[in-house]
Amino acid sequence: DAGITQSPRYKITETGRQVTLMCHQTWSHSYMFWYRQDLGHGLRLIYYSAAADITDKGEVPDGYVVSRSKTENFPLTLESATRSQTSVYFCASRTPSYEQYFGPGTRLTVT
Amino acid sequence: AQSVTQLDSQVPVFEEAPVELRCNYSSSVSVYLFWYVQYPNQGLQLLLKYLSGSTLVKGINGFEAEFNKSQTSFHLRKPSVHISDTAEYFCAVSGGYGGSQGNLIFGKGTKLSVKP
Repeated sequence: DAGITQSPRYKITETGRQVTLMCHQTWSHSYMFWYRQDLGHGLRLIYYSAAADITDKGEVPDGYVVSRSKTENFPLTLESATRSQTSVYFCASRTPSYEQYFGPGTRLTVT
Repeated sequence: AQSVTQLDSQVPVFEEAPVELRCNYSSSVSVYLFWYVQYPNQGLQLLLKYLSGSTLVKGINGFEAEFNKSQTSFHLRKPSVHISDTAEYFCAVSGGYGGSQGNLIFGKGTKLSVKP
C-alpha cells in the first residue's frame, strides 16, 4: 500500500539505551520530517531532510541523530535515551505543493 | 519567529450545532496555511489547505476555512457537527521565516468535543 509507515508503533526503553525509530514512505517525496508531540507543546520539528544525504536540524534536535541514505527511509535515532524524550514521534513527507502527510506515530516511553 | 496561535484549547459543542475553531498566525510574508485533524491514537490527517487564490477553502468532512490576510487569521468552520467530529484540530503554517523548508509550524491544538 502507498503511504507512510512507522515502526515500531510502541516502544519502551530504559534510560541510556540507544533506540531507532523507522519511517518509510512510498511516494518518493523529497522532503521528510520528524516531529515530536507533547502535551502543552503541540508538535515540534526535530529534524528534516530535503533529499537523500541532506538533513538539517529543526527546533528540538538535541539528543537525536538522523540519516537518509535512501529517499524512502528516514530513521531517527536516540543515541542515549532520556526520560525527557518520552513522547509520541511522527514522521511526515511533503508533496511539491507543501502538503505534509503523516505516519501513524510511535509512542516511546523511556523508563 | 513565526508562530501560530489557536485561541481555544477546548471547544465543547452540541451535535448539529455550528462550530468555529480560531487560528491566528504571525508572519509578514506569504504563507501556506493548513488545518489537520487528529483522532485518538492516530496520526494527523489533512483537512484543508490554503496556498493562494480564493480565500474560502473547502475541505473534507464538510469543513471550510477562510483566509483573512489583514487579520492574519485562518479560522475553521463547520455548519453542523457530528459526534464523529470529536477530535483534536491543529492549525499550521508553512513558509516565511521559520518555515522556509516547507516544514510546518503548528498551533497547540484545539480539542473539539461534540456532545449528543
